[in-house]
Amino acid sequence: RKEVEQDPGPFNVPEGATVAFNCTYSNSASQSFFWYRQDCRKEPKLLMSVYSSGNEDGRFTAQLNRASQYISLLIRDSKLSDSATYLCGTDNYGQNFVFGPGTRLSVLP
Amino acid sequence: NAGVTQTPKFQVLKTGQSMTLQCAQDMNHEYMSWYRQDPGMGLRLIHYSVGAGITDQGEVPNGYNVSRSTTEDFPLRLLSAAPSQTSVYFCASSETEANEKLFFGSGTQLSVL
Repeated sequence: RKEVEQDPGPFNVPEGATVAFNCTYSNSASQSFFWYRQDCRKEPKLLMSVYSSGNEDGRFTAQLNRASQYISLLIRDSKLSDSATYLCGTDNYGQNFVFGPGTRLSVLP
Repeated sequence: NAGVTQTPKFQVLKTGQSMTLQCAQDMNHEYMSWYRQDPGMGLRLIHYSVGAGITDQGEVPNGYNVSRSTTEDFPLRLLSAAPSQTSVYFCASSETEANEKLFFGSGTQLSVL
């Protein structure tokens, strides 16, 4: 089983829609969780960290469910500029950083 | 600050050739790592380093060597390139291994013929 799994998509949504991605992880001892955004042919960039209490940054909300070992990302009021691949990741209990395969989002006009 | 500088951006090799991908960071980060990214596979960790003089293997280390003689530099060496090593390579760094904010270089598109 892969350490981090994601639905690769693509998710095709209209502008203004709300879309949610889930990501599961296998190492229950993982401490840090995060979402990265990657544009086509570019390097990944940190979108937001995921905290146990959940956290919000504008239109983006991240949640952590330790019991079920998954993290989620909710995007409200989708913009065309949100089209990208979203990678979830974890520190794998401080050993190193591991990522899921990414979920591709296309926001359509 | 330049952040993480990775060179070259593109490279074509013939099977059996060797080369070194360069990575340098100017943020005094302790942790550095190399990933390869293939379609449908996401980012897979090749090697990582938690400080100068210390390196360790990641998920897919075979065919690659690394060294960390300074805090700033973390080169990745392909000893004898194979077509299976055709991929996009990213170098990344963070303050410490426990710090989730990874800074990535702009990537190297490598093709092995």
